Amino acid sequence: ETGVTQSPTHLIKTRGQQVTLRCSSQSGHNTVSWYQQALGQGPQFIFQYYREEENGRGNFPPRFSGLQFPNYSSELNVNALELDDSALYLCASSLGGLNTEAFFGQGTRLTVV
Amino acid sequence: DAKTTQPTSMDCAEGRAANLPCNHSTISGNEYVYWYRQIHSQGPQYIIHGLKNNETNEMASLIITEDRKSSTLILPHATLRDTAVYYCIVTGGSSNTGKLIFGQGTTLQVKP
Repeated sequence: ETGVTQSPTHLIKTRGQQVTLRCSSQSGHNTVSWYQQALGQGPQFIFQYYREEENGRGNFPPRFSGLQFPNYSSELNVNALELDDSALYLCASSLGGLNTEAFFGQGTRLTVV
Repeated sequence: DAKTTQPTSMDCAEGRAANLPCNHSTISGNEYVYWYRQIHSQGPQYIIHGLKNNETNEMASLIITEDRKSSTLILPHATLRDTAVYYCIVTGGSSNTGKLIFGQGTTLQVKP
């Protein structure tokens, strides 16, 4: 157990809908990163939040957005869902910086139909 | 794109050492080498990381060559539960926030 919890564990949505995924970071960690993992692929970096501010973004469209709260928990929001958004969404928390390990949650499996 | 190259798959006998290689020939001086693994349908698990010195923890050892262009992750006594996809990741540098760029990884199959 890493202390990083994600909810929900599974979700089914219809194309065009919006979805919010949640992540509680490990105690003491101020940095949360989100990743998308399509079936058979490695995780792809979406964005990172550090002390409530976006601190880096991968190659994802603006309909992927996020928030980080004062307690360092985080949300990932995806608008106008597309079939290709079906994936495992992973949250990772860390202390930030380059010489620290990230701890991942178990992920949210999103299916868009 | 990932900055590392790993073999697609490897087999290892249970109880033997598993040696997983990784090439990172374009690594720069302030970039770290990280290893994570992912067991089917679970989130990635941190294993170990290093800058230039060899590192060891309770899970594994990391051997980094002197020129830092390659490294090897060693699982000293592989068990069936070590069957997973192993990712070697280079991260760091002045413009990096610690984000992890995953490649395809090495699928390690530990066999009885």
